Amino acid sequence: EIVLTQSPGTLSLSPGERATLSCRASQSVSSSYLAWYQQKPGQAPRLLIYGASSRATGIPDRFSGSGSGTDFTLTISRLEPEDFAVYYCQQYGSSLLTFGQGTRLEIK
Amino acid sequence: QVQLQESGPGLVKPSDTLSLTCAVSGYSISSSNWWGWIRQPPGKGLEWIGYIYYSGSIYYNPSLKSRVTMSVDTSKNQFSLKLSSVTAVDTAVYYCARMVDRGVFDYWGQGTLVTVSS
Repeated sequence: EIVLTQSPGTLSLSPGERATLSCRASQSVSSSYLAWYQQKPGQAPRLLIYGASSRATGIPDRFSGSGSGTDFTLTISRLEPEDFAVYYCQQYGSSLLTFGQGTRLEIK
Repeated sequence: QVQLQESGPGLVKPSDTLSLTCAVSGYSISSSNWWGWIRQPPGKGLEWIGYIYYSGSIYYNPSLKSRVTMSVDTSKNQFSLKLSSVTAVDTAVYYCARMVDRGVFDYWGQGTLVTVSS
């Protein structure tokens, strides 16, 4: 099983700032099969990024993903008020899918 | 527009079987996609339960495999989850979702809270 560790656990920033979220895998994620989701309270997760760096349909270009192997990053270039939420990474390089524990992005 | 909707009892007794159904609209379940279940205990992270192809091929999370059964009903355009011998640790919001590209969940149901309690 590939274990995903997200850091930091909580990130406190202000609107307009840049957010950098990390996801580290316990072993290499094949073909960069890494996705990012955003979840707001009381809502289902929303797909943001797949294939480590491809934005899902309708996702603003302030969201970008990068990385390969065991280290992946989600960057939000300029935070909007609606971006404050919990973010999860998920690997699908193996048939045993796993999620990270999440990073909470809160307003400073 | 693809829509998914979970349904089933919100309260299940310990040792009983949890049963949920996911109705899909706006898309044929028989198209080339897998369909998955994910759960989230209150205040915690996401856990993948399993996914199923319309033809019946299935992958389960090994940690739940002995208790999980998934099925598809193409005539009703829905798929189902059964989790047996439930305990309090199975209390969670259960989501159904469409899976694409080998393991990405692009459309999700709103989720349904299932509480295990006597």
